[in-house]
Amino acid sequence: KAGVTQTPRYLIKTRGQQVTLSCSPISGHRSVSWYQQTPGQGLQFLFEYFSETQRNKGNFPGRFSGRQFSNSRSEMNVSTLELGDSALYLCASRPPGQGTNTEAFFGQGTRLTVV
Amino acid sequence: AQSVTQLGSHVSVSEGALVLLRCNYSSSVPPYLFWYVQYPNQGLQLLLKYTTGATLVKGINGFEAEFKKSETSFHLTKPSAHMSDAAEYFCAVSRASKIIFGSGTRLSIRP
Repeated sequence: KAGVTQTPRYLIKTRGQQVTLSCSPISGHRSVSWYQQTPGQGLQFLFEYFSETQRNKGNFPGRFSGRQFSNSRSEMNVSTLELGDSALYLCASRPPGQGTNTEAFFGQGTRLTVV
Repeated sequence: AQSVTQLGSHVSVSEGALVLLRCNYSSSVPPYLFWYVQYPNQGLQLLLKYTTGATLVKGINGFEAEFKKSETSFHLTKPSAHMSDAAEYFCAVSRASKIIFGSGTRLSIRP
């Protein structure tokens, strides 16, 4: 079974631009979460989608948004990029039928650099 | 609120020595705990998980962790370190639909 796939692996953007990151979960997984990883703040939860609905949201500004499609694939968008948005963005999916406390399976991440 | 604290941002051991990475949790209810490993420029890989039941949990690559409610700890151990174990390790707890991570411990292995 294929794992969580994130595209692209690397991105370089300019301040003020916007960016869209993509995530394909493990087949059959309907829960998709996004995390931001930086050296200073560590791993921080952005949001979680389940069956196309945002189920939980972290403490990030409205510039960070996401969506999930009917096939469970998810996209994350960051508008008006700032230098501080440079980070590794990780997507994770969770198996169904076991509540919300199951383990998450992570993708390789998208390394975003804002210049 | 549920959270985890990892003691020691960097641990260095000799190849073949015992690996001990410390994690304490705070929770008012039985927690769901995990250890993840991250190699350079990679995502997170699940090492092991504790949900309910047996307090000694065995994971991949020879790692194991013991859930101790009396000490609110979930330390990760491996009897004999290998060079390939060099990575960053994260203790984590599940809260609702999100996972809360510790700050991470970087494990270095000396030849």
